[in-house]
Amino acid sequence: GAGVSQSPSNKVTEKGKDVELRCDPISGHTALYWYRQRLGQGLEFLIYFQGNSAPDKSGLPSDRFSAERTGESVSTLTIQRTQQEDSAVYLCASSSQVNQPQHFGDGTRLSIL
Amino acid sequence: QQPVQSPQAVILREGEDAVINCSSSKALYSVHWYRQKHGEAPVFLMILLKGGEQKGHEKISASFNEKKQQSSLYLTASQLSYSGTYFCGTESQGAQKLVFGQGTRLTINP
Repeated sequence: GAGVSQSPSNKVTEKGKDVELRCDPISGHTALYWYRQRLGQGLEFLIYFQGNSAPDKSGLPSDRFSAERTGESVSTLTIQRTQQEDSAVYLCASSSQVNQPQHFGDGTRLSIL
Repeated sequence: QQPVQSPQAVILREGEDAVINCSSSKALYSVHWYRQKHGEAPVFLMILLKGGEQKGHEKISASFNEKKQQSSLYLTASQLSYSGTYFCGTESQGAQKLVFGQGTRLTINP
């Protein structure tokens, strides 16, 4: 069956531009998570959704980061006025319910010039 | 607070055993283990729930000591395919998210 799909797979942009990263979770999965992974580092939690609600936004690094989810399906992570330190792989995962195994997408590799 | 994994890296020959540890300073509800191969997405291995159970199959298993807030991943008779970075993700009581450790890089040589 279809797994978690993320787009674009790679994004190169200039400092100061806005970017949107998309995640299509596995159909029927109510929980959706966003993580950031810098080169050679671990998984940094950003935000998670239960349905369309985001009970925990504590991991968002600054107010330049925002995310939304609609139809209990697609989620978009938006980074405004990108900075070089935003360069990383952004991973999305979904699970059937919170606390269940998370299925990860292949990520979006974001490079800020 | 991020769990601490040890060791940070380990190199083995095929057929040798490995143990990867994960410790937290918080009371835990569950521990998840994932493996990530270079350039790929993390893949789920197993969940251990509060109760000190041991799970897994013949060659990859794990334990959870809730009193010590520790989990250990055991890889027996390692295969080349076991190479990758292993992450533990911990879920604290009342939290509905995972906090991941920094990872343990496992290299298996022929």
